[in-house]
Amino acid sequence: DQQVKQNSPSLSVQEGRISILNCDYTNSMFDYFLWYKKYPAEGPTFLISISSIKDKNEDGRFTVFLNKSAKHLSLHIVPSQPGDSAVYFCAAISAVSGGSNYKLTFGKGTLLTVNP
Amino acid sequence: DTGVSQDPRHKITKRGQNVTFRCDPISEHNRLYWYRQTLGQGPEFLTYFQNEAQLEKSRLLSDRFSAERPKGSFSTLEIQRTEQGDSAMYLCASSLGLPNEQFFGPGTRLTVL
Repeated sequence: DQQVKQNSPSLSVQEGRISILNCDYTNSMFDYFLWYKKYPAEGPTFLISISSIKDKNEDGRFTVFLNKSAKHLSLHIVPSQPGDSAVYFCAAISAVSGGSNYKLTFGKGTLLTVNP
Repeated sequence: DTGVSQDPRHKITKRGQNVTFRCDPISEHNRLYWYRQTLGQGPEFLTYFQNEAQLEKSRLLSDRFSAERPKGSFSTLEIQRTEQGDSAMYLCASSLGLPNEQFFGPGTRLTVL
């Protein structure tokens, strides 16, 4: 079962506009959410995260919003730049096996293309 | 470069052969993770070490897979009797303390013919 879902395989936006990437989750035990960016032939790069006790976290052009009641989070990139073109993965952490061990559960990713 | 490194970057092998991958985490990081990513999917958790102790193993890690982190520094992931279904990108990540920011290596792409 897919506990973290990114229902849009791809997204195309114009340079300078806002990119909104969405993510839904089903496991209410998730207590931390992260976004990673991945370029081809490279490993995922951490972008921004949010704790389940918050509803917003901002870092420069990147803002993540969390709606716990809807089990939904989104990543906003403003303004979008061509260098932002990459696959974006939503990930969540749940404490397992006694609360001291953590693993990331990833969505399938969304390919963002920012057109000049 | 003080990031996570993985070796080799690419491995092509024939079905039935054994392969071993190495991961060198960021030096002060005590937690090390292995993930596997197949085409069109996000990375999937395989196993996790805190220092030298392997504390979590996914059901994806069959008996043919074994991972070690003997001195709490680098880690190896061995696959015995490889199958075509093992073809994937194998990613290593490390973190210090809380796993809120797991830093990933570039991955090892395995192709089993």
